[in-house]
Amino acid sequence: AQKVTQAQTEISVVEKEDVTLDCVYETRDTTYYLFWYKQPPSGELVFLIRRNSFDEQNEISGRYSWNFQKSTSSFNFTITASQVVDSAVYFCALSVAGAGSYQLTFGKGTKLSVIP
Amino acid sequence: DTGVSQDPRHKITKRGQNVTFRCDPISEHNRLYWYRQTLGQGPEFLTYFQNEAQLEKSRLLSDRFSAERPKGSFSTLEIQRTEQGDSAMYLCASSLSGELFFGEGSRLTVL
Repeated sequence: AQKVTQAQTEISVVEKEDVTLDCVYETRDTTYYLFWYKQPPSGELVFLIRRNSFDEQNEISGRYSWNFQKSTSSFNFTITASQVVDSAVYFCALSVAGAGSYQLTFGKGTKLSVIP
Repeated sequence: DTGVSQDPRHKITKRGQNVTFRCDPISEHNRLYWYRQTLGQGPEFLTYFQNEAQLEKSRLLSDRFSAERPKGSFSTLEIQRTEQGDSAMYLCASSLSGELFFGEGSRLTVL
């Protein structure tokens, strides 16, 4: 069975601060995919990134960066110079290649509030 | 708009009534998923279709729930004899190869 843990329930930062959202996952599969989604107040889940288990290179996209470490089963997400528009709930998720459906197992989410 | 669309966005019903939600996936996406999200929780997988075939169902999907995807296009999720515990956001997602694209969800409130 798969499991995703997001230990931080809520985080508040002041605008322009950097913030890191933690994600720890558990799976026995050797081939898997990790995701981050953003859920603004409107409710729609917005896809941010997908990484596969064989690619541990960190990725940067604008103010967003992701740190994937297989040794600690972590896939952390950092927002640099946070903005009010970053306020949302962020979900980390996992899918395994062995399951034909590629269904996602989500963490409980981290609610980020960016204060102006 | 070429994203995943869901209807209705909000539904309030009395306990014991039946409700049906519709999902229109992104065109040409052969995979379609239903998830349920309760307050303060992450989405939980309910069921999965590849084209018109329902290939996987979660144990969360009780006998009162039924999902269909006729002709492999839109999908419906019906809940019969609703209970207060069914109150949640029902999310639909579609995929072609990996990334799931979600709709805005249908929020169900059972009184």
